[in-house]
Order: sequence, then structure tokens, then C-alpha cells
Amino acid sequence: EIVMTQSPLSLPATPGEPASISCRSGQSLLHRNGYNYLDWYLQKPGQSPQLLIYLGSHRASGVPDRFSGSGSGTVFTLKISRVEAEDVGIYYCMQALQTPVTFGGGTKVEI
Amino acid sequence: QVHLQQWGAGLLKPSETLSLTCAVYGGSFSGYYWTWIRQPPGKGLEWIGDFGHGGSTTYNPSLKSRVTISVDKSKNQFSLKLKSVTAADTAIYYCARGTPFCIDGYCYDWFDSWGQGTLVTVSS
Repeated sequence: EIVMTQSPLSLPATPGEPASISCRSGQSLLHRNGYNYLDWYLQKPGQSPQLLIYLGSHRASGVPDRFSGSGSGTVFTLKISRVEAEDVGIYYCMQALQTPVTFGGGTKVEI
Repeated sequence: QVHLQQWGAGLLKPSETLSLTCAVYGGSFSGYYWTWIRQPPGKGLEWIGDFGHGGSTTYNPSLKSRVTISVDKSKNQFSLKLKSVTAADTAIYYCARGTPFCIDGYCYDWFDSWGQGTLVTVSS
């Protein structure tokens, strides 16, 4: 299975400042069709995960534009341009190129 | 707006069968992947498997021998059964809807709606 590694494990963030989370995959997530099969999810405290980014860089419906995803192959980044208090939680990257779908270990963002 | 509501037994003894059901409200049942994901307390997410829009199931190899995902289209519901549970199966179990994206004959899905989660504890 494809191993997903996130860093950092914990990210102290300051409201109004940018924040960045890294995700690396054990093998390339770039399909021959040109798409990267990498998603980002946020699990707010006490809630179910919610989709932020799909196919590496596409924001899900309703997701604020301060969130952006980038990267290709084995290295991906989730950026928050200006952190807000409601952005606290655990962020997970997930690969869907191969079965089984696998998740990174998570990055906890705290204010 | 689609809403997923899940239920099932929250306390099991070792060797019993875990059984959870997820009902889909407010959206089409056809054309999606219906997925189960779990999260051990304080830990990360593990994909269990799905029932695809083509009618086939796909399971995590680590659980494949014990898991069954089925669908009841007449009720807009899908279910998870995991047999012979142990303490290692203690987790919050989530149902989720996968929206498919197919191109060049390759399909994948992103999980855009989730149930509220059910804590299942396995203890003697």
C-alpha cells in the first residue's frame, strides 16, 4: 500500500498569518491522465472529517479560497493564506490512486 | 443537500459481528460510491471499503476476509458488517459518500459527505 507521510505533526498557527502542511507519498500519485489523486480533509474537534481539496488542487464546494493545494508526484502542500480561528483541527492528506485508499497520519493545527 | 445518518450497536464482545447502517437523505443514491472509514480513538483514518456505483465492492486487504458492505437501494441505505471483532476493531466508524471522477477509464472518488460517526467498542 502507498504510505502517506505528513509534516509537521503539530502546527501552532497565528490568526491572520499563513500556514503550510506538507504531505509526501511513497510513490507517485500522478496518473498518466495528468491528475494527481491526492485529497485533503479537515477534521474539526468533535466532528467528522470534511473535504477541502480533491485531485491535489481543486477546492471543494463551499471551501474558503484561503485554502489551496499544490504539488505533484510525491510531494504535496496544503496552504492556508490567512489562518482563522475556525481552521483549528487535524488535517489529513489521502491518496486514492491505489487500493487501499490510505491517509497520512494527520497534522494538528492549533491557534 | 445530502445528509448521512448512521446507527448500530456501540458495544460488542470479542468474536461478535459489528453491524452498522447508514441512511442517505436528500440526494440521489445512484451514481456514487458508498464507503466506510474508521478511526481508532486518538488515531488516524483507515479506509475499510466501498460499494461502487457499478455494483461492485472493494475492500481494504487488511480487513477483506472479515468485512461485507452491502446496499439496499429501496431504502437508500448501505451497511457494514465486520465479523470476529477484537479490541483492535475499537474505533469510530464513519459512513461517507464518494463522488466519482472518471477519466480515461480510471475512476476514483472523493468523500464529500460523511455520517456523524459511531463509536464501536469491543470489550469482554
